Amino acid sequence: NAGVTQTPKFQVLKTGQSMTLQCAQDMNHNSMYWYRQDPGMGLRLIYYSASEGTTDKGEVPNGYNVSRLNKREFSLRLESAAPSQTSVYFCASSSRGREEKLFFGSGTQLSVL
Amino acid sequence: AQKITQTQPGMFVQEKEAVTLDCTYDTSDPSYGLFWYKQPSSGEMIFLIYQGSYDQQNATEGRYSLNFQKARKSANLVISASQLGDSAMYFCAMREGRSSASKIIFGSGTRLSIRP
Repeated sequence: NAGVTQTPKFQVLKTGQSMTLQCAQDMNHNSMYWYRQDPGMGLRLIYYSASEGTTDKGEVPNGYNVSRLNKREFSLRLESAAPSQTSVYFCASSSRGREEKLFFGSGTQLSVL
Repeated sequence: AQKITQTQPGMFVQEKEAVTLDCTYDTSDPSYGLFWYKQPSSGEMIFLIYQGSYDQQNATEGRYSLNFQKARKSANLVISASQLGDSAMYFCAMREGRSSASKIIFGSGTRLSIRP
């Protein structure tokens, strides 16, 4: 079971460059999320998507855009990277019902120089 | 607006002792869900336990139990008989609302260190 797959695992950007973080899940989940985690801190929600074609802002959306391409894929784009966006990025999807759970990808370590 | 608070930045506990990690939340929605996750030094996020706001009994999963006190808006994680492998960051999280459109937010975490 692949679960939630994120690519790339590591990325170094220069200030002003753009990039897209890819995320895909194979569990048929409706809801997907993007979080960032700065060193020694908790996870902060960037954007989330309740279903294909819908996205909503989270706690820290500035500087990011997202696309819910289909039910499986939810991508995060940095249009003009800034050093403040240096962080670990996690993608997640959630099951609902009695056994509610958030499934995480392995994370992307992004450094912006 | 929903809010999750973990007031213990770090804790040291002797091996085999029980430990309680605090979590308080704030929401005006009667329907919500509470989660606990473990993050070891490897960085992966490991699901521990889930409690729904309408669940009558406290959730349990092996050595983990959730002490859910609805009136006090607290959802503390209890780890019984701690082990060296329990040393990690622990995060409390909340989903507010019944809808699948609900966002899930996390607290700032507690770093737990188990002493041999």
